[in-house]
Amino acid sequence: NAGVMQNPRHLVRRRGQEARLRCSPMKGHSHVYWYRQLPEEGLKFMVYLQKENIIDESGMPKERFSAEFPKEGPSILRIQQVVRGDSAAYFCASSPGTDSGETQYFGPGTRLLVL
Amino acid sequence: LAKTTQPISMDSYEGQEVNITCSHNNIATNDYITWYQQFPSQGPRFIIQGYKTKVTNEVASLFIPADRKSSTLSLPRVSLSDTAVYYCLVFSGGYQKVTFGIGTKLQVIP
Repeated sequence: NAGVMQNPRHLVRRRGQEARLRCSPMKGHSHVYWYRQLPEEGLKFMVYLQKENIIDESGMPKERFSAEFPKEGPSILRIQQVVRGDSAAYFCASSPGTDSGETQYFGPGTRLLVL
Repeated sequence: LAKTTQPISMDSYEGQEVNITCSHNNIATNDYITWYQQFPSQGPRFIIQGYKTKVTNEVASLFIPADRKSSTLSLPRVSLSDTAVYYCLVFSGGYQKVTFGIGTKLQVIP
């Protein structure tokens, strides 16, 4: 049973370009979460999605960032017109549901470097 | 979400047992206590979860006193490969705006 998959593992962009980060949840999981981690800091929640629905995007910057989880295919975190401050590790996690005790399983992350 | 407090760093020699304690005074009735491990350049890895008393798996043990205001992650006979950051989280379900603190950086010394 494959774990959470993320690609690319490393992404380099110049300021002003777009970054697209992909996440395939574990088999059987329909809930996806995106987090951002800056160096020497903990992970910070960005957005929670279910298939075709954004449930909570309160942790996501209001501009330039968007996320989707289509009916078919991976979840995508999209950052438009990247700036140097967007450089970070972006982690995706998935869970089978939201019942008490259900935990999140994380992917290996995508490290974004903005030049 | 209940706020958690854990030591910023710990050192241990190989072969020793390591205990990392986490305080969560405001834990709610529905909250579970979950520990993650994160190696450099990797995503957090689920280690263990518990609600009360003691939970043990092949990796670690989790001790939770009756009042549930703290918990202790116990790693038996650590090796160099256990060097990582360990996060204590308290939340009640899969959907939470889970925010990891800076965790406890464990350094295992040969």
